Amino acid sequence: NAGVTQTPKFQVLKTGQSMTLQCAQDMNHNSMYWYRQDPGMGLRLIYYSASEGTTDKGEVPNGYNVSRLNKREFSLRLESAAPSQTSVYFCASSEGTANTEAFFGQGTRLTVV
Amino acid sequence: GQQLNQSPQSMFIQEGEDVSMNCTSSSIFNTWLWYKQDPGEGPVLLIALYKAGELTSNGRLTAQFGITRKDSFLNISASIPSDVGIYFCAGLFETSYDKVIFGPGTSLSVIP
Repeated sequence: NAGVTQTPKFQVLKTGQSMTLQCAQDMNHNSMYWYRQDPGMGLRLIYYSASEGTTDKGEVPNGYNVSRLNKREFSLRLESAAPSQTSVYFCASSEGTANTEAFFGQGTRLTVV
Repeated sequence: GQQLNQSPQSMFIQEGEDVSMNCTSSSIFNTWLWYKQDPGEGPVLLIALYKAGELTSNGRLTAQFGITRKDSFLNISASIPSDVGIYFCAGLFETSYDKVIFGPGTSLSVIP
């Protein structure tokens, strides 16, 4: 059972470079999320997709874009990476509304130099 | 914006000891979620609480939804080495996805 799969696991970017973080879930969940985790700050929501075809901003969307490619896949794009985007990024999915269990991927550790 | 405080920030305990941690807010929540994150992994849900005063157990873990709806508590009994990790609380007032607030986490280390 794969659950939520994120790629890559590690990435180093130079300032100004772009990249896309990939996420796929095999649980037929409607909702998907992207979070970033920084030391001492818990998880902060970047973007979410309540259902296929919809995306909405979370708490910290600036500098990011997302695409809900289909029900399984939700990608996060950094158009012009900045050192402030150095973080661990987690993709998650859930079957229903936000007060139900969210299943998380293993994370992508991104460093922008 | 809304914030959750978790205490303690970190704790080092002897294997076999009981653990208590809490999560507090100045805001009222309708749902409290407790997650655990193992090193190098994503968080995994431990317990969900949906009603003020609710006490729910999951094995050696017990969590309570505070009566004021502004706090929640997690207890771990007879700790074992695999309890090591970061414990996050999350509060939610509505069912909107952007309304889930995560605390900064409590880091637990268990000394064998």
